[in-house]
Amino acid sequence: QSVLTQPPSVSAAPGQKVTISCSGSSSNIGNNYVSWYQQLPGTAPKVLIYDNNKRPSGIPDRFSVSKSGTSATLGITGLRTGDEADYYCGTWDYSLSAWVFGGGTKLTVL
Amino acid sequence: QLQLQESGPGLVKPSETLSLTCTVSGGSISSSSYYWGWIRQPPGKGLEWIGSVYYSGSPHYNPSLKSRVTISVDTSKNQFSLWLSSVTAADTAVYYCANANNMIPARWYFDLWGRGTLVTVSS
Repeated sequence: QSVLTQPPSVSAAPGQKVTISCSGSSSNIGNNYVSWYQQLPGTAPKVLIYDNNKRPSGIPDRFSVSKSGTSATLGITGLRTGDEADYYCGTWDYSLSAWVFGGGTKLTVL
Repeated sequence: QLQLQESGPGLVKPSETLSLTCTVSGGSISSSSYYWGWIRQPPGKGLEWIGSVYYSGSPHYNPSLKSRVTISVDTSKNQFSLWLSSVTAADTAVYYCANANNMIPARWYFDLWGRGTLVTVSS
């Protein structure tokens, strides 16, 4: 069982918006920076968001993050079929002295 | 542009030691900004951080694997390696090498990944 909790799956229609939550605690999300990763089928993960809400070059502003307390939420607007992937949140956990990932969320664009 | 490439055996017998190497190209492994490490993903499951190490030392390991894991850096070859001892079927996974961008673990993010290599533990 992951230290960070994500919903196993979410779905939405093309063009719509979807949110993916990542819930943790004060030893991880509550006091550290969160990053998000997109893993397209059969490929290595790719960073979408780092330092809570920064996007690497090349990542469109359709991807955004909000953080409140011990939770973070990834939002994706203008959904495309190409956004179908697994999404993971991650952060450092002070109590464990370890990097932790969420269990992952499978996004289906209907 | 930095690139990472994993290499090593795709099949390891139970109780033996898994050994993988990641070759860094397009830049120096001695960069002051990165930790170098490994992340794995069992078939059909999520990501698990194994550990990360700075080129001059200071390793950080997943507590659940710490007793079996060693990650080391060879600056002369621009490579870093993973050793995981006493493997079982539960260690079957795709193993990714990845760099953690930042010197402070609390600010890490993994912005560069290898393509991954499947390691199967079976007799």
